[in-house]
Amino acid sequence: EPEVTQTPSHQVTQMGQEVILRCVPISNHLYFYWYRQILGQKVEFLVSFYNNEISEKSEIFDDQFSVERPDGSNFTLKIRSTKLEDSAMYFCASSESGGGGYGYTFGSGTRLTVV
Amino acid sequence: SQQGEEDPQALSIQEGENATMNCSYKTSINNLQWYRQNSGRGLVHLILIRSNEREKHSGRLRVTLDTSKKSSSLLITASRAADTASYFCATNNAGNMLTFGGGTRLMVKP
Repeated sequence: EPEVTQTPSHQVTQMGQEVILRCVPISNHLYFYWYRQILGQKVEFLVSFYNNEISEKSEIFDDQFSVERPDGSNFTLKIRSTKLEDSAMYFCASSESGGGGYGYTFGSGTRLTVV
Repeated sequence: SQQGEEDPQALSIQEGENATMNCSYKTSINNLQWYRQNSGRGLVHLILIRSNEREKHSGRLRVTLDTSKKSSSLLITASRAADTASYFCATNNAGNMLTFGGGTRLMVKP
């Protein structure tokens, strides 16, 4: 079964530092996403990416966040200057079609702790 | 407005029993999806039901959708201890994003 792979699984960073979360989506998927889940809260949409550009983003996805597909396989989320409230589980996902018409495949997540 | 609210928030049953979880939403949708999350792990897609469908089955899972009531239910039949997890509904109503509910924590006791 194809998987979405995320690295690292855990990351601890100092407040104000930059972090890059990495994802390898499923190879024939065209749509890529980042979601986050603060402990005990709902899974929240951050951004979707298609055809090498952002197609949608939420209010959470402000100027401190950016995404990139630097090559044909990786999809990254950069948080420029981390804050304590950025501590969360970050999930990458990919899908064959838009609207999640066949469902999304999520990675196992990166647990980010900002101290 | 909140979208995709599940109830109950927590459910505890014995192995072999059926588990029913409900999801309500507020806006029109393209599709509704159910995901499972084991503690501290990723989300696993279980089943998707489109707005023009009323019922769907996959193995021991049965999902219904009532667009007039803006609600969906997930039934797990003959539950097993391994079904213990959190279950989330998520709606797609425009574009590509999913809006998740708060989830139902299911505990299946052996």
